[in-house]
Amino acid sequence: GAGVSQSPRYKVTKRGQDVALRCDPISGHVSLYWYRQALGQGPEFLTYFNYEAQQDKSGLPNDRFSAERPEGSISTLTIQRTEQRDSAMYRCASSPRGADYGYTFGSGTRLTVV
Amino acid sequence: AQSVTQLGSHVSVSEGALVLLRCNYSSSVPPYLFWYVQYPNQGLQLLLKYTSAATLVKGINGFEAEFKKSETSFHLTKPSAHMSDAAEYFCAVNSWAAGNKLTFGGGTRVLVKP
Repeated sequence: GAGVSQSPRYKVTKRGQDVALRCDPISGHVSLYWYRQALGQGPEFLTYFNYEAQQDKSGLPNDRFSAERPEGSISTLTIQRTEQRDSAMYRCASSPRGADYGYTFGSGTRLTVV
Repeated sequence: AQSVTQLGSHVSVSEGALVLLRCNYSSSVPPYLFWYVQYPNQGLQLLLKYTSAATLVKGINGFEAEFKKSETSFHLTKPSAHMSDAAEYFCAVNSWAAGNKLTFGGGTRVLVKP
């Protein structure tokens, strides 16, 4: 596509439910990144992929968080048994390859856990 | 490890006045540096990037930044602020030694007064 697309744009879920956030990167981009941004703070790295391989998941807060990119294109970030502290903006970005030349970000998914 | 410090979480400038946003980084190897802008309810947009070519980098919307290795700084400036510059600005750093991912600062929110 022309840009990075994320869905849903907004998600309200009850504590304890699982959620899946989707990212569709720019066509042909090798690298896909997930970040989380709390209000008034900068984006915080979660994980990234080159093609379908997860290169770094050091930023995932705990084992309730997981991500996949099975065919090297669309990616899903899944949060199991959501907690209120998971409420944040989740941002996806893609790049032709790596981070040297910057990323293109999507508009994000605002997750609210009630 | 790499990190970014943005001095001042909020900056207020008058329309037509100089905009100066400060960014200092730490990196064990020569970094690539970026400034992103985030308008309300939008994603992050790349303003400019330093990738070891010219130390003075020009970006979109009249912004520029100068890489100063001796000061480990990458401050963002614009000679004359416009009302449309009201937004949040993020500095980011990447180096291969830190795993080929961007690390962001906490952001500086710019308010432009008429």
